Amino acid sequence: AAGVIQSPRHLIKEKRETATLKCYPIPRHDTVYWYQQGPGQDPQFLISFYEKMQSDKGSIPDRFSAQQFSDYHSELNMSSLELGDSALYFCASSSKTSSIFQETQYFGPGTRLLVL
Amino acid sequence: AQKITQTQPGMFVQEKEAVTLDCTYDTSDPSYGLFWYKQPSSGEMIFLIYQGSYDQQNATEGRYSLNFQKARKSANLVISASQLGDSAMYFCAMTGETSGSRLTFGEGTQLTVNP
Repeated sequence: AAGVIQSPRHLIKEKRETATLKCYPIPRHDTVYWYQQGPGQDPQFLISFYEKMQSDKGSIPDRFSAQQFSDYHSELNMSSLELGDSALYFCASSSKTSSIFQETQYFGPGTRLLVL
Repeated sequence: AQKITQTQPGMFVQEKEAVTLDCTYDTSDPSYGLFWYKQPSSGEMIFLIYQGSYDQQNATEGRYSLNFQKARKSANLVISASQLGDSAMYFCAMTGETSGSRLTFGEGTQLTVNP
C-alpha cells in the first residue's frame, strides 16, 4: 500500500538559511499534518490542512509557513533557520471521517533537519 | 487541555513474553480517540492501534491489544509474544472534540526485547 512520502529525507542548512520540506499524502487522503520532533522529545503538532485550507494551527513559529496544493501535497517553508530548529519533521495524512477525533494519522518517514 | 502521561521511560522484556506499556490521559472532552505509535531507531512513526472513547470493547490488532479502562483514564498497550523487532520507542497519543484531530503525545516508553 502507498504510504506518505516526504522529501528530502535529510537536510543540512546553515543558520539564517531557508528550507522547504515536501509531503505527498496517501492517495485519497484529504488532510495533512505537520509535526516537529526534537531530539529525545515527543512529536509536537505544528499545523494541518484539510482540502487545501488551514484547519488547525499549533506551536508553529512565525518564521515557518505551510500550504497544501491542489494535488494535496503540502510544503513546509522554514526561514531564518535557528540551531533549535534541528529536529525530525513528520508529515502525516488522514482521511476525513464523521468524527474528527477518530481519524487515524499515517506518518511519513520524516525529514531530518540539521541546522549548523 | 489534554495530557498524556507515560510513566515508564524504559521497559525490558524477554523474547516471547508479554509486556504492558502504561498510558494515562487527562481530558475534559466526552469524546476522544486514543492511539499508540511505534518509533524504531530508524525514526519512522508507525501506527499500531486505535481506541475510541465510546468503544465498548478493547481494540486488538494482531499481537497488540489496548487495555482501555475509561473510569481510570488509562489506555495501556499490551504486546503479546514479544519479538526482537518490537524493540522501539512507543508513544501513546490522543485526539479530542475540542482539540480536534491534532495528536497530543506522551513522552514515550523505550521498550527493549532481550533474546
